[in-house]
Amino acid sequence: DAGITQSPRHKVTETGTPVTLRCHQTENHRYMYWYRQDPGHGLRLIHYSYGVKDTDKGEVSDGYSVSRSKTEDFLLTLESATSSQTSVYFCAITSGTYEQYFGPGTRLTVT
Amino acid sequence: AQSVTQLDSQVPVFEEAPVELRCNYSSSVSVYLFWYVQYPNQGLQLLLKYLSGSTLVKSINGFEAEFNKSQTSFHLRKPSVHISDTAEYFCAVSLGDMRFGAGTRLTVKP
Repeated sequence: DAGITQSPRHKVTETGTPVTLRCHQTENHRYMYWYRQDPGHGLRLIHYSYGVKDTDKGEVSDGYSVSRSKTEDFLLTLESATSSQTSVYFCAITSGTYEQYFGPGTRLTVT
Repeated sequence: AQSVTQLDSQVPVFEEAPVELRCNYSSSVSVYLFWYVQYPNQGLQLLLKYLSGSTLVKSINGFEAEFNKSQTSFHLRKPSVHISDTAEYFCAVSLGDMRFGAGTRLTVKP
């Protein structure tokens, strides 16, 4: 258990509405990540952070933004949700030697 | 950039039979290799990892994987599976950023 929580765990929203997902960690890890998981694609990196206010884009960043104002919190925002963003979203941290540890996930449905 | 191919999307097997989940990667430099397991409605859990040293790595629940540099493979094996091993398994490679395969769904039947 790497002390990672995600909220909400489930959300249903309508197309065009903004959505913010929260990742919270308790162990002061520097690196944090947001992934989306879709059938047949495994996990794909959306954005990551390497410190407070330091973020960068991943493989599938279009339509998403992130913020990290505190070490423990990494927020993922969908400015205007679309049906293609229906997915399961996972937060992760890197600990020690390169391996990543994951939160429990947020299932997002955009109708 | 590195990439990962998991050669089987689904692997059905009977309880107590051996299993192999195949993973190939492409990278022009040395990478770190991982297997993760995901049980239904849960996040991914690290199963085992290869960073350096012995090419055969083992998990606490009987899985093992062998790094083969010449074949750029990191196949996961277990000599005798249990019903509780039913899950989705992801191979991943890392050289800074981590890339995941599409996953292999292992179903163990009684």
